[in-house]
Amino acid sequence: KAGVTQTPRYLIKTRGQQVTLSCSPISGHRSVSWYQQTPGQGLQFLFEYFSETQRNKGNFPGRFSGRQFSNSRSEMNVSTLELGDSALYLCASRPIRRGNTEAFFGQGTRLTVV
Amino acid sequence: ELKVEQNPLFLSMQEGKNYTIYCNYSTTSDRLYWYRQDPGKSLESLFVLLSNGAVKQEGRLMASLDTKARLSTLHITAAVHDLSATYFCAVDLLGANNLFFGTGTRLTVIP
Repeated sequence: KAGVTQTPRYLIKTRGQQVTLSCSPISGHRSVSWYQQTPGQGLQFLFEYFSETQRNKGNFPGRFSGRQFSNSRSEMNVSTLELGDSALYLCASRPIRRGNTEAFFGQGTRLTVV
Repeated sequence: ELKVEQNPLFLSMQEGKNYTIYCNYSTTSDRLYWYRQDPGKSLESLFVLLSNGAVKQEGRLMASLDTKARLSTLHITAAVHDLSATYFCAVDLLGANNLFFGTGTRLTVIP
């Protein structure tokens, strides 16, 4: 069974640009969450999508947005990039079945803003 | 907001020794997760603890959950070098599906 797939693995962008990251969940998983990991702030929740709807959102500015498609694949977009957006962005998928809430993480996309 | 605290932040231990990592959280939740992260890599799920008193073991690692004390522990028995990694605990709020992570414990096992 294929795991969570994130693309691209590495990105270098310039301040002010925008970026789109992609996440394909495990087959059958309908919940996709995004997390930002930085040395200073640790792992922080960005947002969660389920059945193409954003269900939860973390404390991030509106420059961070996302969406989910009917096949459960998700994208997140960051506009007007800032140096502080440099981070490892992790996507996690969950099956959302009663009694089974384990989240499986992708390999992440490492974004560097210069 | 839910706060999750881990201690210690850094742990250097000799091979063969035992140690415990602690995870405290600030609000009601009965779902506690432990993850391992190797440098530059993603998060690997170790344990899912879903009820008070839950105890799970895998190899040299054992995790437990006390929801009344809002405390989980990850016990390492007879550490080996391969266990060197950063360990995170995470909690999600009842009814939500987003994880709040602890600060992580960077474990280094010295031969």
